Amino acid sequence: DQQVKQNSPSLSVQEGRISILNCDYTNSMFDYFLWYKKYPAEGPTFLISISSIKDKNEDGRFTVFLNKSAKHLSLHIVPSQPGDSAVYFCAATYGAGGTSYGKLTFGQGTILTVHP
Amino acid sequence: EAGVTQFPSHSVIEKGQTVTLRCDPISGHDNLYWYRRVMGKEIKFLLHFVKESKQDESGMPNNRFLAERTGGTYSTLKVQPAELEDSGVYFCASSRQRYEQYFGPGTRLTVT
Repeated sequence: DQQVKQNSPSLSVQEGRISILNCDYTNSMFDYFLWYKKYPAEGPTFLISISSIKDKNEDGRFTVFLNKSAKHLSLHIVPSQPGDSAVYFCAATYGAGGTSYGKLTFGQGTILTVHP
Repeated sequence: EAGVTQFPSHSVIEKGQTVTLRCDPISGHDNLYWYRRVMGKEIKFLLHFVKESKQDESGMPNNRFLAERTGGTYSTLKVQPAELEDSGVYFCASSRQRYEQYFGPGTRLTVT
């Protein structure tokens, strides 16, 4: 049962344009969402996160949007740069203070390629 | 600040053998996690330590997998005996707070 889904295996964009990566989830208990970036032969690197009490969080070129009613979040990268080419994973967790808090449930990942 | 380190980076073993993976978390991080990514699929949670105690081991596939965290510092994950389906990349992560986790580079395990 895939609770976090990234339905686009890959995305290709031109340098300078916007990259939009999408993620859907099914578990309504999730209350914290994260995006990780992964280069080949490296571990995932934390990028940006959002709590379920917010609908938007911005950090430089990266913005995450959360639509709780649709159980959907997206990561916007503006402007996209060739160095952003990597695999992007959406992750979710829930249960602040409980034993499950911190356990991340990941999507399958989206390969982003930014062309010069 | 040194990051999360994992050893070995790659291990090739035969079915039925034993392998032990090691993870050294970031100093001062009480939370330590193990995850696994099989065949380019999603990264799946295995277990979570808080200091030396197992907080959640709901993701451990079966009793062939044994994780320990001695003294609340480094952790080991032993697979005994290894099966073909255990092949994948095993990631360790650590954190102070429970949600923003810092990952190591992973150990690629190949069981032949």
